[in-house]
Parts: sequence; C-alpha cells; structure tokens
Amino acid sequence: AQKITQTQPGMFVQEKEAVTLDCTYDTSDQSYGLFWYKQPSSGEMIFLIYQGSYDEQNATEGRYSLNFQKARKSANLVISASQLGDSAMYFCAMREGVLMDSSYKLIFGSGTRLLVRP
Amino acid sequence: ETGVTQTPRHLVMGMTNKKSLKCEQHLGHNAMYWYKQSAKKPLELMFVYNFKEQTENNSVPSRFSPECPNSSHLFLHLHTLQPEDSALYLCASSFDLTGGHYEQYFGPGTRLTVT
Repeated sequence: AQKITQTQPGMFVQEKEAVTLDCTYDTSDQSYGLFWYKQPSSGEMIFLIYQGSYDEQNATEGRYSLNFQKARKSANLVISASQLGDSAMYFCAMREGVLMDSSYKLIFGSGTRLLVRP
Repeated sequence: ETGVTQTPRHLVMGMTNKKSLKCEQHLGHNAMYWYKQSAKKPLELMFVYNFKEQTENNSVPSRFSPECPNSSHLFLHLHTLQPEDSALYLCASSFDLTGGHYEQYFGPGTRLTVT
C-alpha cells in the first residue's frame, strides 16, 4: 500500500505568489515524522522542513511552512513568495515509528514538479 | 553545501564491468544510506548502515554490494548490472539523535547508465 501520496505531478506558480504542494500519508504508528525535500535539476536532495507527529504547532522555515492536519493525515508544503530558484522537484517523505538510533527508513512520495513563472 | 560528496558524478558501464560508487560525509554523522532513484518511480531505500553496521537491506539484488569501512565512508560495488539498473544513486547520512537533528543529508548523486 502506498504510504505517501503526492497527487500533483506538476504545478505552475507565478513568481512572488504562494503555492501549496499536497501530501497525504498513511500510517498506523502514533510516532512518526514528515519531511519535505527539494530536488533541483542538479540532483541532490535538499532538506526543507520537518514535522513530528507530536508537534503541536505547524513547522516553519523561512518561506516554507508545513500545513499539518493530523486527523486528515495530510502534510502540505506551503511556499510563500515564490522565486525562480524554487523551480524543482519536491518530495514528501515519512519516517515511521519511534526513533531508536541514528538510522531510520524514509518512505518517499512520487514528487511534484514545480515551475515558477516570471 | 551539504557536506556529503559522491564520486563519480556520472558513470557509464557495460553489463560485464565492475565499478564502485563512493560516498563520503564530512558531518560527523553516524548513519549512512544508499538510495536508488529511477525515472518515474519514488526514491527507493537500498541499504542502511549505523555505526558501520548494516541495519537494512531492502531486498536488493546481490549484484549491488555495499561496504562501510567507517562512519564517514560508504561504497556501492557494482557488478554484472542490467540496463534497468540505470538510475541516479543517492547517498545520505543522518546525525545522532541526541543532537536533535532529524533530517537526512543527501549527496549530489551518481548518474549511472548501464549499456
């Protein structure tokens, strides 16, 4: 069963506008973590933002915020004031279970390609 | 700058060749990972190492052989690959949890083409 679902294969946004990238997840664990990564055409995955399942407030990192709706199992990424450099693939990922040591498994969604128009 | 380097960045090899991918992290992390990213498929975890010990092998064919001599270096040895193994291979590392860091840091990847 697919654990992370990103239903938007591609999206456009006008420069300086805000955009929301959707992510829904499926887990039976009470403890889990949700991540968003950006992958430019160069290939490397760049960490953007993290939300723990017990975090009461939505995570924010600069222009990135995570709209976490636990009951709906959604963790949408909001990018405010889009810039041309935001054009990239964006991946939602989930870590299940309690962290026991330094290593953990990440399950990734299929990604959303965002294009920012000037 | 992520602090995780991978070499080579691009590799073309025949199905009978033997090659190795190298990953090095300069972040003092304890865990390292290999991922495979194929076209039109989500990122797939291949192997996990924690303090040099392999803790996960995600049903990867034996033609892929990982090696982790220390917490800073990770190799992926390749032999008798198939064309469907062509993909972007990404290395990642993660920090000791007591530091409060949860994310995995990724390298730039090796673009592998099997001919």
